[in-house]
Amino acid sequence: SQKIEQNSEALNIQEGKTATLTCNYTNYSPAYLQWYRQDPGRGPVFLLLIRENEKEKRKERLKVTFDTTLKQSLFHITASQPADSATYLCALSGYSTLTFGKGTMLLVSP
Amino acid sequence: DTAVSQTPKYLVTQMGNDKSIKCEQNLGHDTMYWYKQDSKKFLKIMFSYNNKELIINETVPNRFSPKSPDKAHLNLHINSLELGDSAVYFCASSQDGSNNEQFFGPGTRLTVL
Repeated sequence: SQKIEQNSEALNIQEGKTATLTCNYTNYSPAYLQWYRQDPGRGPVFLLLIRENEKEKRKERLKVTFDTTLKQSLFHITASQPADSATYLCALSGYSTLTFGKGTMLLVSP
Repeated sequence: DTAVSQTPKYLVTQMGNDKSIKCEQNLGHDTMYWYKQDSKKFLKIMFSYNNKELIINETVPNRFSPKSPDKAHLNLHINSLELGDSAVYFCASSQDGSNNEQFFGPGTRLTVL
């Protein structure tokens, strides 16, 4: 069955460092992969989309990589700030649906 | 202007009751969705509508019935509520299908006592 795995444990880093979050998947061949941010008590907010034929995508301090051979996406936040603290969800697109991972909580301490 | 809005934000009710959650989007999108996020924060698709037509109906009890009166609205009606229905329900919309970014509403926290 299809499976999406994200680090279940919270990632604690210090302000200014680069945060790297991992999304692994099995039994899946997504055409697109998306990353969302979710703050407590709020709905997810779209961050980045990367296509299967793209290796890397950047947006300001964010960078996403997509390795279809390894079946893995990495999400990087450079020069992290306490305001980046949130849960980050990866989502794989299939026919008319998005399947979400459980998310990884990122805590950036000053 | 709120892009995707849901009402109510909180809903507390007794087992066995029937309740509805309303969703509206003012983005002009063609596709709308309902998701359930359980206590373990797992976000799972329930339904997807495209231009008022049901596209996806995941394995959801038939006590849950979505209704789309027009392209901008997708309401969720739940009959005979059970304890296990307690969760946060999110409405979302996208321009066309799952390959586009989705815009989520603020969520409705449903508590069944």
